[in-house]
Amino acid sequence: EIVLTQSPGTLSLSPGERATLSCRASQSVSSSYLAWYQQKPGQAPRLLIYGASNRATGIPDRFSGSGSGTDFILTISRLEPEDFAVFYCQQYGSSPWTFGQGTKVEIK
Amino acid sequence: QVQLQESGPGLVKPSQTLSLTCTVSGGSIYSGSYYWSWIRQPAGKGLEWIGRIYFGGSTNYNPSLQSRVTISVDTSKNQLSLKLSSVTAADTAVYYCARGDYIGTDYYGMVVWGQGTTVTVSS
Repeated sequence: EIVLTQSPGTLSLSPGERATLSCRASQSVSSSYLAWYQQKPGQAPRLLIYGASNRATGIPDRFSGSGSGTDFILTISRLEPEDFAVFYCQQYGSSPWTFGQGTKVEIK
Repeated sequence: QVQLQESGPGLVKPSQTLSLTCTVSGGSIYSGSYYWSWIRQPAGKGLEWIGRIYFGGSTNYNPSLQSRVTISVDTSKNQLSLKLSSVTAADTAVYYCARGDYIGTDYYGMVVWGQGTTVTVSS
């Protein structure tokens, strides 16, 4: 099973700032099958990025993903008030699919 | 626009079987470009993938749950179902169904999610 470790656990930032979230895999994620999801309180997760760097339909271009192998990054170029939430990475390259433990982006 | 809605008992007794349904509206569950997953989330914790099913009926389960879980599709009702047997308090969680898209070997993540349903295991 591939273990995903996200860092930091919590990121305290102000609107307009840049957010950089990390996701490290215990072994290489095949075909860069790495996704990022955003989850707000009381809501289902929302797909942001798939294939490590492809934005899902309707996702603003301030969200970008990069990385390959075992190291992946989600960047939010300028935080908007609605961006504050918990973010999860997920690998779907090998079974069982697994999620990271999440990074909370909170308002400073 | 496709929507997913989970339903089922909110309270299940220990050792019993948890049974949930996910109703798909606004589109067909029967498509060669979709797979259907169940994911759960204990209160205040992270996400755990339970398993997935393809339109042809093939399934993949999380090994940690494989001996207790069954995922199936009823195309006549446009529904996805989850059965989890021998439940304990550790199975208490919000359960989500989700649709993932793929073409051949290219997977595009879980694009559509239900709102989730809370299941509590308690006597």
